[in-house]
Order: sequence, then structure tokens, then C-alpha cells
Amino acid sequence: DAGVIQSPRHEVTEMGQEVTLRCKPISGHDYLFWYRQTMMRGLELLIYFNNNVPIDDSGMPEDRFSAKMPNASFSTLKIQPSEPRDSAVYFCASSSSPGQSSYEQYFGPGTRLTVT
Amino acid sequence: QKEVEQNSGPLSVPEGAIASLNCTYSDRGSQSFFWYRQYSGKSPELIMSIYSNGDKEDGRFTAQLNKASQYVSLLIRDSQPSDSATYLCAVNMTGGSYIPTFGRGTSLIVHP
Repeated sequence: DAGVIQSPRHEVTEMGQEVTLRCKPISGHDYLFWYRQTMMRGLELLIYFNNNVPIDDSGMPEDRFSAKMPNASFSTLKIQPSEPRDSAVYFCASSSSPGQSSYEQYFGPGTRLTVT
Repeated sequence: QKEVEQNSGPLSVPEGAIASLNCTYSDRGSQSFFWYRQYSGKSPELIMSIYSNGDKEDGRFTAQLNKASQYVSLLIRDSQPSDSATYLCAVNMTGGSYIPTFGRGTSLIVHP
């Protein structure tokens, strides 16, 4: 399996521009997670989906952030308009749910976002 | 607020020694526990999962879980410089979602 795929790997944009991050989860996984990682705050869960349905978006910092999962193999995280404080590494992760006691997550390589 | 606590380190050990990484969690009802390794500039990589009290061994890695004391640890035997990384502890808290909560991680440095 190719693992979780993310694109782009690096994104540099100017403040005010729209940014779209993309993720393809591992085939057969029914959970998808978006995380943000910074030195100051560590790894933060932004939103997660189960069977393409958003379950909890309480970690999304503000209305400038939105996420969609139109099908089982694709998800996007959009920031509009972007701000310098959005600079971070954004990870997508996926997992299967064999039972309530096991949710091993597998992470993509991440997108390093820099907003100038 | 349900939390996962780790000492940020860095923990420095000589090559060949045993590295011991610890994690405590606040939710007594937690059932699933994970250790991830993250090299600088890379993504977290799952290295161990443990669900029952006691020890679980996988190669040079041993995860130890003590639910009564609410801690989970990771031992790395015969530490190598290639083990130098940040180790993240993740715990599935109760409350219905079973989504892991991550600690801030412990930086491990193995020096030759």
C-alpha cells in the first residue's frame, strides 16, 4: 500500500491567499484526520471524518478553515484567507476501526505551509 | 480536561544503553495506548500499541502499561543513534469518540 498521500509537500503563499491541502487516505480506512503541528502547540487535531462524514470539527481554529471529504479516497483542508499564524505542518492521518479498542493512526508525510 | 503528559526532555543516553520514556494520562477509563516516533522534519510513525496491563515486546522496544497508576512507558534496549527522535504518546480517552489524544512528545538523543 502506498500509505497516506498528501499534496503539496510544501506551500508558500502570501497572506490573504487561499490555500488548499489534499489528502488520500489508505484504501479501506474509514477514519480520516487532519492535524496541525507547531513547536508552540504540538500536534493538534483539527477535524476528523468517519465514512466521509465530518464527526468533530471542534479543533478547527476559526471559520477561515474548512474541510471536505467528497469520497472515501480524497479529502481537502482549505484556509481562506490565510494568515501568517497559519504557518505550520499539516498532517493527514487515516485509520480503520476494527473495534472500539483500536484506532491505530497512519500519518501522511505532511504539508509544510508558510504564509508570508 | 483530559490530558496526556510527557517530559519534553531532551533525554540523553549513550549508545547501547536502555532509554526509558514515560507518559501519564488523566482519564482512568482509557483503553488504548500508542507510541509514535517522529524524526525531525518527518511525520509521526506508529511503533507500538498496547491495550492490556503489563509488558509488550517488539524487537528492541517494550511498552509497559499500568492502568492503576495511569502511566505507560516505552523502553528502548541497546539504543542506537538512529533512535534519536521525538517520541509521542497517544491515548484513546473515553467519552464516545475513542480518538487518540497526543502528548507533546519526549525528545531522545542517543550519543555515540
